[in-house]
Amino acid sequence: NAGVTQTPKFQVLKTGQSMTLQCAQDMNHNSMYWYRQDPGMGLRLIYYSASEGTTDKGEVPNGYNVSRLNKREFSLRLESAAPSQTSVYFCASSRQGARTEAFFGQGTRLTVV
Amino acid sequence: ILNVEQSPQSLHVQEGDSTNFTCSFPSSNFYALHWYRWETAKSPEALFVMTLNGDEKKKGRISATLNTKEGYSYLYIKGSQPEDSATYLCASLNQAGTALIFGKGTTLSVSS
Repeated sequence: NAGVTQTPKFQVLKTGQSMTLQCAQDMNHNSMYWYRQDPGMGLRLIYYSASEGTTDKGEVPNGYNVSRLNKREFSLRLESAAPSQTSVYFCASSRQGARTEAFFGQGTRLTVV
Repeated sequence: ILNVEQSPQSLHVQEGDSTNFTCSFPSSNFYALHWYRWETAKSPEALFVMTLNGDEKKKGRISATLNTKEGYSYLYIKGSQPEDSATYLCASLNQAGTALIFGKGTTLSVSS
């Protein structure tokens, strides 16, 4: 019973390096989201995909790109990592858009040095 | 971008106390209001999703109410237990109704 799976769980990058965070869900959900969590800031929406084939910017999209590869997978790419992108990243999915409950992955802790 | 506010930011109560938190959100273009419980080192888990003005939902000792006309929701915990210690997040939908925007959360600490 996997739910939402994120990889990797931990990552350390050097400034300027690139990487892709992977997210997959096995619940046949239509909508998927990427959030970042910083101390005192709660969860802030980076990008989301309301349905397969669509992606939209959230509250803090700068420095990120996303790909909705298929219905199951939604990846987040950092093209040139900066220390300000040090954070915990959560992927989430929901069945019928944001009017139904979201299920979260376990998070990816990213440190950019 | 939608502004979802939660208060208080943190709260410390004794075991057995009852407590409540507030979530405020813009009342225009309302679609739904979510509450999540987030324990340390875990992922957020949904408590309630409410859509209608006057909605009241209950799960064990935790309940929530919704007022969409004035743009607020309350979360109540009756007889707090140490295992209730967590951050409680509320979220409302963006203007397009397609994504969840979260408040910063209320962190509850319950002492035994």
